Order: sequence, then C-alpha cells, then structure tokens
Amino acid sequence: DQQVKQNSPSLSVQEGRISILNCDYTNSMFDYFLWYKKYPAEGPTFLISISSIKDKNEDGRFTVFLNKSAKHLSLHIVPSQPGDSAVYFCAASDKGSARQLTFGSGTQLTVLP
Amino acid sequence: GAGVSQSPSNKVTEKGKDVELRCDPISGHTALYWYRQSLGQGLEFLIYFQGNSAPDKSGLPSDRFSAERTGGSVSTLTIQRTQQEDSAVYLCASSLGAGRGAGYTFGSGTRLTVV
Repeated sequence: DQQVKQNSPSLSVQEGRISILNCDYTNSMFDYFLWYKKYPAEGPTFLISISSIKDKNEDGRFTVFLNKSAKHLSLHIVPSQPGDSAVYFCAASDKGSARQLTFGSGTQLTVLP
Repeated sequence: GAGVSQSPSNKVTEKGKDVELRCDPISGHTALYWYRQSLGQGLEFLIYFQGNSAPDKSGLPSDRFSAERTGGSVSTLTIQRTQQEDSAVYLCASSLGAGRGAGYTFGSGTRLTVV
C-alpha cells in the first residue's frame, strides 16, 4: 500500500530545458511535503518543501507545486543542468506522525548536455 | 565530523547471523532517525530518537530489529537472525531539533546483503 507514488522511474531532459518530476499521494492527512535529491553512494539531501497551506514554493531554479484536490505535487527545475542528474524522491508527513516521512520510490533524472 | 557518519559502508552476512550498524550523528543534533531503502523502493521509516524521550519504534518491521542511542549521540541498529528480506541500504539521519524533514542530514548508508 504505497501512500506516496512516483510513477516515472526515469526522466531524460536536454540541458537548459525544464524538468518536471511528479508525485501522487493517497493519504489526505499529509500536510507537509518535501523533495530530496540523491547522488550515487550518498545520502539524500533536502531540496525544497511545501506546506499544505500553500500551492507553490520557489527556491531559485526549483519550484514545487501542490494540488491538494488532486493529491498531486510536482517539482519543476528550470533551467536543467547536467549536475541536476540524480534520483529525486518526494516525501510526505502528517501532523500526527510528523517525524515519520513516507517516501516515494524515486525518479532518476538525467540531464543531457 | 561535518556530516553523519555510518559504518560499515557495506556488510555481507549469512542468513541467521546478527548484525550491528552504527551511526554517528552531527555533533549537537538532538534528533536521530533510521530509514531503510530496499531495492526499487522508497525510504521506509524505522525508528526516531529525540533527546531523552522514549524512541518512536513504530516503524521497526519485527522484534528482530532494535536500536539504541547511547549518551544522546551514537546510535546502533541491531538486526538479529538476519533474513534475506533484510537486505537493503540502511540510512541514518540527524537534525538539530525535532524537525519535519527539511533539516535532516542523511549519512551515505550501510548496504546490507544477507546471503
């Protein structure tokens, strides 16, 4: 029973173009969402987060959009750079279990030079 | 050290043996988390320590799994009588306070293979 789903295992994008990574969730109690980036042989690193009271959060080249009615969030990277090539995980938590993050299975992004 | 340190980085063990995985969090971080990532899956929460409070063990998959945190610093995750389904990358993270993920620093993990 996957509560957080990333249906695309991989995505390839040309350098300079937009990368859009998608994530769906089923638990309506989730109120906080995050994106992590992971390089091989390293631990995940935090990228950006969004609270359910917002529908958009932006940090430089990275923007996260949240559509609560559709239970969907997406991460936009503009412009994409080769160094962005990594596995991206979305994660979510609810207030009752705030320290327990539920992760998706990840999307491997490859940015082609 | 500057980051979260985990040891060993790789561990191969025979089915039925016990293993201990170690995590050294960032100095001063009061919260410590264990997650594991099985092949093709997302990270799965195992256990959370915060200061001197009782740990949240609700993610431990069976009573073969246990963890302790000594002196509010180093943590050890122990798996008894290992099974093949325990094969995974075990990740430790720490944070300055009881955050909700944004302040987590993850280690690079221990890859456990049970043969």
